[in-house]
Amino acid sequence: GAVVSQHPSRVICKSGTSVKIECRSLDFQATTMFWYRQFPKQSLMLMATSNEGSKATYEQGVEKDKFLINHASLTLSTLTVTSAHPEDSSFYICSARGGTGLYFGPGTRLTVT
Amino acid sequence: DAKTTQPPSMDCAEGRAANLPCNHSTISGNEYVYWYRQIHSQGPQYIIHGLKNNETNEMASLIITEDRKSSTLILPHATLRDTAVYYCIDLFGNEKLTFGTGTRLTIIP
Repeated sequence: GAVVSQHPSRVICKSGTSVKIECRSLDFQATTMFWYRQFPKQSLMLMATSNEGSKATYEQGVEKDKFLINHASLTLSTLTVTSAHPEDSSFYICSARGGTGLYFGPGTRLTVT
Repeated sequence: DAKTTQPPSMDCAEGRAANLPCNHSTISGNEYVYWYRQIHSQGPQYIIHGLKNNETNEMASLIITEDRKSSTLILPHATLRDTAVYYCIDLFGNEKLTFGTGTRLTIIP
């Protein structure tokens, strides 16, 4: 089946720094990718929709200047958490649409100290 | 907001069939029923999807009622590795996929 990878799988950063998370579709082209955030014991919350070659569409309440999304190619989308704070610590998951399927990456656990 | 409703939790004995219900009270004619599951600290895993007819694959079976207002995911012989949160979702085309709270299924040895 289709594979989506994320890198890194875990990252620890200091408050005030920026962190970039990559999402790649390994064996298919994805014109649309989605970014989710998940806090402990909660469901996945959609943050934004990323379309190749155009600006991302953010969900209500998600700061676009803090969570920068770049969908530079049909196989790569990146999420940059700028000026990270401890409350940004979370599990970040991407998904990519390929054909009729929607496939998820393994997630990135971000810890901001 | 999620459009489906599921029981928050269920238990099932190992080796038995696990039947997970979902209500799709607002499903439209062109929306598919999708099921995903999420094992702790992993990304969601696709299980199965269907439109009107019942579906079966190597992981599970999906039963959709004739009015499409409810569905049941069946894991025929549950194992401990099936312990996860299961999500049912109504989805059409390129719609964004939003998750409800899901059902936390615990397989009991």
